[in-house]
Amino acid sequence: EAGVAQSPRYKIIEKRQSVAFWCNPISGHATLYWYQQILGQGPKLLIQFQNNGVVDDSQLPKDRFSAERLKGVDSTLKIQPAKLEDSAVYLCASSLASGVQGGELFFGEGSRLTVL
Amino acid sequence: AQRVTQPEKLLSVFKGAPVELKCNYSYSGSPELFWYVQYSRQRLQLLLRHISRESIKGFTADLNKGETSFHLKKPFAQEEDSAMYYCALSVHGSSNTGKLIFGQGTTLQVKP
Repeated sequence: EAGVAQSPRYKIIEKRQSVAFWCNPISGHATLYWYQQILGQGPKLLIQFQNNGVVDDSQLPKDRFSAERLKGVDSTLKIQPAKLEDSAVYLCASSLASGVQGGELFFGEGSRLTVL
Repeated sequence: AQRVTQPEKLLSVFKGAPVELKCNYSYSGSPELFWYVQYSRQRLQLLLRHISRESIKGFTADLNKGETSFHLKKPFAQEEDSAMYYCALSVHGSSNTGKLIFGQGTTLQVKP
């Protein structure tokens, strides 16, 4: 079974520039998550989709971050304008059921962002 | 407040020694807890969940509601256990969906 795909793997930008990350979840997975992992910290949930609807975006900095999951399949996370503190690994994950029944999230390899 | 605390950033043991990775949580609801692991150059993946009460790769974890803990244990560490371990708490929202809150992680280093 193909895993969660993410691109790009690495991105370096200057502050105030914009960046977009793409995620393709495992086929058939209804729920998609974007996590931000800053160096030395655990993953922090930014946004959760169930199909193409947003379930939780309480920790998404909406003044600069946006995300969409058109057609309930793949998703894009955008940052505009980027700040130095946005340097992190952005992890996409998906799960089969709604929410976290059973708790198994399948993670992508992550997109590492460096903001200079 | 919902929170997961892993007090140790790094745990270093010798091969064959017992291992205990600590995890404490704060949650007013009924807790569901998990351990995720990330081996070098691999993706973050589920190791075990408390509701299954299973042993995976020799690891076990018991939920202690009185102490609000979910420590991960293994009686004899192996070099291949070296990895980053994250404790995670499932929190359920109003729409009957859940999300995972992760601790800061503990690096386990097993020396030969």
